[in-house]
Amino acid sequence: QITLKESGPTLMKPTQTLTLTCTFSGFSLSTSGVGVGWIRQPPGQALEWLALIYWNDEKRYRSSLQTRLTITKDTSKNQVVLTMANLAPVDTATYYCAHIPGCSSGSCRRFFDDWGQGTLVTVSS
Amino acid sequence: QSALTQPASVSGSPGQSITISCTGTSNDIGAYNYVSWYQQHPDRAPNLLIFDVNNRPSGVSNRFSGSKSGNTASLTISGLQAEDEADYYCSSYTSSSTLYVFGTGTKVSVL
Repeated sequence: QITLKESGPTLMKPTQTLTLTCTFSGFSLSTSGVGVGWIRQPPGQALEWLALIYWNDEKRYRSSLQTRLTITKDTSKNQVVLTMANLAPVDTATYYCAHIPGCSSGSCRRFFDDWGQGTLVTVSS
Repeated sequence: QSALTQPASVSGSPGQSITISCTGTSNDIGAYNYVSWYQQHPDRAPNLLIFDVNNRPSGVSNRFSGSKSGNTASLTISGLQAEDEADYYCSSYTSSSTLYVFGTGTKVSVL
């Protein structure tokens, strides 16, 4: 059974740097094709993909936020960390991490099949 | 990369079928068969309903089905039930540096 859980501060001030940790179990981030992504959802709004990291340490970012985001993994701790610099009130959202399944029959997966419960981060002065 | 376009709301009576559209571009939905759909109940995390356009994960009811034509994908819910009342989001893999794009979301109401 795959589980993911996000952790981090709930209240931040503008210009600060946010660090969120996704701690997971039930899969290995060393398995071919497996990835972990971060998706956020401002209150009452739609989902927005932010970043992901693959088993081979390939990292991809939302282009509009690329200069502010950093994603890393610690395979031994089963954790993925997302940092977001220079926060603003518009970054107030619930932040989710989610699992991308590994490759199967030569085809790699492009969807998020298991999600964490999410963590609400409020940015306010 | 703009969000995929979905109707803000769709409603139906119990037992009816409804369809939610999701319109993208030739850089996302039109380029790949990597469309997925997610159901989200209030204050809950999204739950995967459909992947690769028309595949259901184990445990998802066969009342949910997906399809795609050109740059538009669709989710059909047949035999609508009260528990289907939720928000629904489509998503697609893209050819841009923003690898994934989500839809604007559709609120489904069961009358």
